Amino acid sequence: AQTVTQSQPEMSVQEAETVTLSCTYDTSENNYYLFWYKQPPSRQMILVIRQEAYKQQNATENRFSVNFQKAAKSFSLKISDSQLGDTAMYFCAFLQPDAGGTSYGKLTFGQGTILTVHP
Amino acid sequence: DGGITQSPKYLFRKEGQNVTLSCEQNLNHDAMYWYRQDPGQGLRLIYYSQIVNDFQKGDIAEGYSVSREKKESFPLTVTSAQKNPTAFYLCASSPLWGISYNEQFFGPGTRLTVL
Repeated sequence: AQTVTQSQPEMSVQEAETVTLSCTYDTSENNYYLFWYKQPPSRQMILVIRQEAYKQQNATENRFSVNFQKAAKSFSLKISDSQLGDTAMYFCAFLQPDAGGTSYGKLTFGQGTILTVHP
Repeated sequence: DGGITQSPKYLFRKEGQNVTLSCEQNLNHDAMYWYRQDPGQGLRLIYYSQIVNDFQKGDIAEGYSVSREKKESFPLTVTSAQKNPTAFYLCASSPLWGISYNEQFFGPGTRLTVL
């Protein structure tokens, strides 16, 4: 079974600074997908960024970027120019496609990291 | 606007009662999922469904049941057999093709409290 580990229960950062959230995972598969989700105080889960394992290039979405190290099974999230609205719990998630190769599959979540951005 | 709706937002249940949480989506997604979130923890999968009239157990299905009679709807029933049902429940859906394939979109959640 796949496992996802987020070793930082809480992090804090000053507004406009950069912060990196860590995530490691365990799998014997070669084809999979990785995600970072954000859950603000409203508790609405929002997708931040996604990475396909077959792509060597790290994904970026505006101020958010990842450092995907496939051999090390590491998938960290970097938030640049942190904003007060980034305050949330962040979840790393792993998806293993089903045997038929479709996208249908089970998401496995890490325990989450609470990020607080201070003014 | 396309999206996922869950109702009610807050639900209170007496011990021994079954309750049903609603989840509706108008995104034309084939797959739908139910997750449970406990304080300070990640999400755990309860049930998931790829097509109408078919669904599979997730990691913590005991004490729960689902149905998928329509593509748009995936209600979750929390039965009296669920020993610790107080939690936050999230419904999600995902397309099986297209630019957003394998991305799961989440509803706003239902907070269930057992009195």
